[in-house]
Amino acid sequence: DAKTTQPPSMDCAEGRAANLPCNHSTISGNEYVYWYRQIHSQGPQYIIHGLKNNETNEMASLIITEDRKSSTLILPHATLRDTAVYYCIVRVPRTQGGSEKLVFGKGTKLTVNP
Amino acid sequence: DSGVTQTPKHLITATGQRVTLRCSPRSGDLSVYWYQQSLDQGLQFLIQYYNGEERAKGNILERFSAQQFPDLHSELNLSSLELGDSALYFCASSVGRLFTDTQYFGPGTRLTVL
Repeated sequence: DAKTTQPPSMDCAEGRAANLPCNHSTISGNEYVYWYRQIHSQGPQYIIHGLKNNETNEMASLIITEDRKSSTLILPHATLRDTAVYYCIVRVPRTQGGSEKLVFGKGTKLTVNP
Repeated sequence: DSGVTQTPKHLITATGQRVTLRCSPRSGDLSVYWYQQSLDQGLQFLIQYYNGEERAKGNILERFSAQQFPDLHSELNLSSLELGDSALYFCASSVGRLFTDTQYFGPGTRLTVL
């Protein structure tokens, strides 16, 4: 079964890059990696997702290792508003007659310091 | 106010009991999601329904079940309750069926199992 492992907490200085790691060593070839964040008990906010290639959008970059066993979410210039809990998620596509499965990690609490 | 309503706001019950949590999505939203938030596990996705059908599953225990009714409201049933089931249970809704669609969260139901 897919599983994700994340460090429980990290600190980052404002303006610097925040690099959040996730281990998903049991991931299969068709399972996507998603990243979400939750700011202070609000609902989770979608950040980015990817399968094999590195991805970049206006919020972040996602670097997936060649063996796909781990990934890193990069917030290039962290601000105080990026302080949140970041969740790494593996999405297992639906099988015939079944439903998708979404496996959440326990999250990394990122604190951006002034 | 997200437009998503959840009842009850608070629920206190004993171990071994069964409870039902209710969620009404925003008008026009077809997807309903259930999440469990506890201090030690963080935010955990439980299950998603889209237009009455199960769409995605997370780490939902076999003691838990959910359904979405024709009027699109949803109920989460928790049975044989244990102390560890004490948590804040969120419901969210979205227009489409994709997990990456913007999800609007309700205020949550706080369940305390004594």
